[in-house]
Amino acid sequence: GESVGLHLPTLSVQEGDNSIINCAYSNSASDYFIWYKQESGKGPQFIIDIRSNMDKRQGQRVTVLLNKTVKHLSLQIAATQPGDSAVYFCAENTSPGAGSYQLTFGKGTKLSVIP
Amino acid sequence: DADVTQTPRNRITKTGKRIMLECSQTKGHDRMYWYRQDPGLGLRLIYYSFDVKDINKGEISDGYSVSRQAQAKFSLSLESAIPNQTALYFCATSGTGGYSNQPQHFGDGTRLSIL
Repeated sequence: GESVGLHLPTLSVQEGDNSIINCAYSNSASDYFIWYKQESGKGPQFIIDIRSNMDKRQGQRVTVLLNKTVKHLSLQIAATQPGDSAVYFCAENTSPGAGSYQLTFGKGTKLSVIP
Repeated sequence: DADVTQTPRNRITKTGKRIMLECSQTKGHDRMYWYRQDPGLGLRLIYYSFDVKDINKGEISDGYSVSRQAQAKFSLSLESAIPNQTALYFCATSGTGGYSNQPQHFGDGTRLSIL
């Protein structure tokens, strides 16, 4: 498999439990945030996004929380399944403004689901 | 069929060789990006293009060049490959939803090894 998981923080969760993956972002002016999932041998897959005018957004089994005061983003996965095992990245748009858009990615967290 | 297709998926070559990585997309997106991924460093932006006539340097453009041949095609070249360019390379695309940024969608990557 790919070596993207080397030296990453790891979260181990029992199947069926909820998972919380955290991310500290760098730029207080960032206006758009995305969570990605990356499985071995694949490219990052979009999970959910949130804009800075919101503090919570829900998808199917996933919730993203944004705390702009402390520049913190979290991804909650409900009823974690073995298929959720992957590396999860947060990304922030560090170039807000009309006509501009650049994502800066976190280094990732490896989620391991224990059957 | 994949929406974002990268070729080749794997490439081994020698120092000093010229290499081209290709990306094509069927998503109809105007914006395309090239990233490299290294263990422990996350994804870093090499170049990006917001339309066919637009090319912009990213965080780590030295040693690379790009060509946007059409809306659907964006290629990355290493004019004279060196071993520290060994990495996973990803192409991504994004659409423009009015004035709001949209998620970037990734291909499955090219694993490049330079000996």
